[in-house]
Amino acid sequence: NAGVTQTPKFRILKIGQSMTLQCTQDMNHNYMYWYRQDPGMGLKLIYYSVGAGITDKGEVPNGYNVSRSTTEDFPLRLELAAPSQTSVYFCASSYGRGKGQPQHFGDGTRLSIL
Amino acid sequence: AQKVTQAQTEISVVEKEDVTLDCVYETRDTTYYLFWYKQPPSGELVFLIRRNSFDEQNEISGRYSWNFQKSTSSFNFTITASQVVDSAVYFCALSEALDSWGKLQFGAGTQVVVTP
Repeated sequence: NAGVTQTPKFRILKIGQSMTLQCTQDMNHNYMYWYRQDPGMGLKLIYYSVGAGITDKGEVPNGYNVSRSTTEDFPLRLELAAPSQTSVYFCASSYGRGKGQPQHFGDGTRLSIL
Repeated sequence: AQKVTQAQTEISVVEKEDVTLDCVYETRDTTYYLFWYKQPPSGELVFLIRRNSFDEQNEISGRYSWNFQKSTSSFNFTITASQVVDSAVYFCALSEALDSWGKLQFGAGTQVVVTP
């Protein structure tokens, strides 16, 4: 059981480039989330999804887009990379049916924008 | 406004010492959930515990214990007889029931350094 899988683990982008961070989970969780973690900080929510075809903005959505075409996958897209998007990105999922379900996290993607 | 405050940025202890991590939260919701996560140097986030607002019983799991006090809006975490493997960043997080989607609000984290 792989849980939440994120790819790639590391990436360096040039300013203005685009990329997609992949996230897939095999736990049949309805709820999925994208967070970013800046150095010395806690995690901040970028986007979340409560099921296929349903997404919504979190606390820091600017510069990102998401889609949720299947239950398993929740990719995060950076369209025009900026230095401020240098961060570690975490994808998470939870069962969602009952409130307060713990979120299960992927191992993160470390992204540097130069 | 910050809803979860972890005032301790870093705590350094010698192995076998106890260490307590403070977490203070803010919410107007009567139903909410509190979590602790561990982030070891390898970077992954490991779920440790969840508490709902109606259960104020303290909990012990091995060397870990949690003290939940609604009167002071605190959910503190103690590691007893610390070990080098406990070195990590520990995050406290809040999920409010009014927010149906289970979003977590994290504190800034406390770095625990355990030296031999």
